[in-house]
Amino acid sequence: EAQVTQNPRYLITVTGKKLTVTCSQNMNHEYMSWYRQDPGLGLRQIYYSMNVEVTDKGDVPEGYKVSRKEKRNFPLILESPSPNQTSLYFCASSYTGLNNEAFFGQGTRLTVV
Amino acid sequence: GEDVEQSLFLSVREGDSSVINCTYTDSSSTYLYWYKQEPGAGLQLLTYIFSNMDMKQDQRLTVLLNKKDKHLSLRIADTQTGDSAIYFCAGQSGGSYIPTFGRGTSLIVHP
Repeated sequence: EAQVTQNPRYLITVTGKKLTVTCSQNMNHEYMSWYRQDPGLGLRQIYYSMNVEVTDKGDVPEGYKVSRKEKRNFPLILESPSPNQTSLYFCASSYTGLNNEAFFGQGTRLTVV
Repeated sequence: GEDVEQSLFLSVREGDSSVINCTYTDSSSTYLYWYKQEPGAGLQLLTYIFSNMDMKQDQRLTVLLNKKDKHLSLRIADTQTGDSAIYFCAGQSGGSYIPTFGRGTSLIVHP
């Protein structure tokens, strides 16, 4: 089954404790992206990757890191989480080119206390 | 780059039609999408329309595109409680492989 898998689904952590949210897709998509969703602000793009070893900042990259060492995986790293990073995070992937459906993971709800 | 705007909330009565509106800025947008996010889930593609079309119908869903005004709408006929969700409009311009999402419209269907 074609899917994007994020882990964990829920995470509560303390300020400053490094964490990684994993994202994996099984569709051989070139493009992968991370978003955060906050009430009233909708989806905001954090980072994206057009292919292996190619990553670019989105609209809200501060406080986040990503890597794309393999095509299927695109982890999101918070080196020193802060309470303003409490949010719902989504990973998405698609083929590049026109008219490509984006496939989203189920989301990771992160709380930083 | 593309900028996509949509209202945040819409409340309708069960059985009525819902119309969710969206405006975009990039006149070269070639594909426009509607995604649906059900509670506790990620976004899923609902439908899309190519820029050379004015209308697309799929069962209870009708998408209207007004290229002159850069306005996109999604009409849901006979709205059901199961249609309660957040609906995201997204645009993809010819020069980009990346769709730009709006903030999402929360559709609330009440009996």
